[in-house]
Amino acid sequence: DARVTQTPRHKVTEMGQEVTMRCQPILGHNTVFWYRQTMMQGLELLAYFRNRAPLDDSGMPKDRFSAEMPDATLATLKIQPSEPRDSAVYFCASGPGYLGYEQYFGPGTRLTVT
Amino acid sequence: GENVEQHPSTLSVQEGDSAVIKCTYSDSASNYFPWYKQELGKGPQLIIDIRSNVGEKKDQRIAVTLNKTAKHFSLHITETQPEDSAVYFCAAREGGGADGLTFGKGTHLIIQP
Repeated sequence: DARVTQTPRHKVTEMGQEVTMRCQPILGHNTVFWYRQTMMQGLELLAYFRNRAPLDDSGMPKDRFSAEMPDATLATLKIQPSEPRDSAVYFCASGPGYLGYEQYFGPGTRLTVT
Repeated sequence: GENVEQHPSTLSVQEGDSAVIKCTYSDSASNYFPWYKQELGKGPQLIIDIRSNVGEKKDQRIAVTLNKTAKHFSLHITETQPEDSAVYFCAAREGGGADGLTFGKGTHLIIQP
């Protein structure tokens, strides 16, 4: 049963701390997306990669957020320093890229910054 | 950029009745329109999608219709069941090589027994 996995599922941290979220895309998918979900803004695209190369990070606050794909099986989203307004659920999704437009979401990381 | 509007925000129907959720989009170049179902505490689950070269697609009790001229698309669920209760999101993928999805604000579907 192929699925996107994310760790941790929950994270509570204090303002100013560094937060790292990890995602393992579905094997064989070459496109990875990061989305953020809040009550006020809904689901928003933060960044995405194809074949590990960043294609669009215009949705990300550049001064504190960074996204990387160290290898084809791992994507990371880092926030440094974290702020209370970063509290949200962060989703990773993966897709087959040129073979199709579908995106399959992971279970999310619920981040609370106090 | 793309803008997706979704209505209604809440929809309550009797079990066994049909439910319809509607979305409009702004970018005429958008070429792919998925629908997601999200249950509490879980990630969005892709339930059906349609490309811009198709007018209608059906999968058992769910169907999606697309009107490119009017720039709107709809989700139809027939013979609703209690397990259909969830939040449903529509989305649009912009054309021109951009792969990210723009989502509607969601519809909370409540199936009354």
